[in-house]
Amino acid sequence: QKEVEQDPGPLSVPEGAIVSLNCTYSNSAFQYFMWYRQYSRKGPELLMYTYSSGNKEDGRFTAQVDKSSKYISLFIRDSQPSDSATYLCAMTFYNQGGKLIFGQGTELSVKP
Amino acid sequence: GAGVSQSPSNKVTEKGKDVELRCDPISGHTALYWYRQRLGQGLEFLIYFQGNSAPDKSGLPSDRFSAERTGESVSTLTIQRTQQEDSAVYLCASSLVVGGYTFGSGTRLTVV
Repeated sequence: QKEVEQDPGPLSVPEGAIVSLNCTYSNSAFQYFMWYRQYSRKGPELLMYTYSSGNKEDGRFTAQVDKSSKYISLFIRDSQPSDSATYLCAMTFYNQGGKLIFGQGTELSVKP
Repeated sequence: GAGVSQSPSNKVTEKGKDVELRCDPISGHTALYWYRQRLGQGLEFLIYFQGNSAPDKSGLPSDRFSAERTGESVSTLTIQRTQQEDSAVYLCASSLVVGGYTFGSGTRLTVV
């Protein structure tokens, strides 16, 4: 079993839809949770960063962490074609020196 | 520079040859990471440098892989006697704090 599981998709939605992306993990010691967006042939870029449980909102993006269920989510409201990319969840233990464990990534396509 | 710079952006090499990949991190970032991304897969941790501490090499897949970093600047990842399974995108990231990674665009390595 992988430490971090993420459905690879692909996921296709119409413009304006609400998108829900999810990851589950097995190690309860993870404390920092991140979502990265990766466009084709580019490096991942950090979208959202959350410490421990709770919600965090940034514009059209909301990140949720439920440590009791070992489950994290990223919601995208009013999705746009420019949101079409691969979304990777990542997490770390502080004492691992910041080494991130990544999910497989979910490929999202937003159709105009 | 403003971002993490990797070179070359693309590399095609013959099986059995050695290759060297370069990463220029963001100035002042004390931590530097190398990850590997196979087609359709998430990021696989390879090695981590933090300041003058001994590097965390726990992700290197075999002794054909090695990496060096000079102080808090440039890093090189060397793959000796390349194999076809080494074909992947090699991503470098640097950070100042936990989780605040900035990735380069990667080196796309193809072993023929």
